[in-house]
Amino acid sequence: KAGVTQTPRYLIKTRGQQVTLSCSPISGHRSVSWYQQTPGQGLQFLFEYFSETQRNKGNFPGRFSGRQFSNSRSEMNVSTLELGDSALYLCASSLASTRGTDTQYFGPGTRLTVL
Amino acid sequence: GQQLNQSPQSMFIQEGEDVSMNCTSSSIFNTWLWYKQDPGEGPVLLIALYKAGELTSNGRLTAQFGITRKDSFLNISASIPSDVGIYFCAGLGNAGNMLTFGGGTRLMVKP
Repeated sequence: KAGVTQTPRYLIKTRGQQVTLSCSPISGHRSVSWYQQTPGQGLQFLFEYFSETQRNKGNFPGRFSGRQFSNSRSEMNVSTLELGDSALYLCASSLASTRGTDTQYFGPGTRLTVL
Repeated sequence: GQQLNQSPQSMFIQEGEDVSMNCTSSSIFNTWLWYKQDPGEGPVLLIALYKAGELTSNGRLTAQFGITRKDSFLNISASIPSDVGIYFCAGLGNAGNMLTFGGGTRLMVKP
């Protein structure tokens, strides 16, 4: 079974631009979560999508948004990029069979650099 | 946001030695997960724990879900050079499908 895939793997943008990252979950997985990883803050939860609906949201500004499609693929968008948005963005998928017990599997991440 | 307290932050050991790391939290969790991350890659799941007191092994790795549901540990026996990487604990509570991560343990193995 193919794992979680993320595209692109690397991205360089300038301040003020916007960016869209894509994630394809493991086949059959219905939940997709997004995380930001930086050296200073570690791994932080951005949001989770299940059945095309945002189910949970972390403490990030409204510039960070996402969506999920009917095939469970998800996209994350960051508008008006800031230097501090430079990070590894990770997507994780899970079956979402039971809330609070799901095992999440991560993709390789998208390395975003904002200049 | 809330983070798990993971220790030690780093370890430099000799090949063949055993390694132990742990995570503690002020909140209870329903699931504890342990991941390993190599540079530039996403975390890879090592062990998942779903029940308080559960002890689970995966090859040379053994992890336990603490009885209080507020802690977990990971042991690696007979370390080898490919064990090098950053190990993260993560907890899943009642606040939906949202993982809370520890700060990571950087493991270095000297051949």
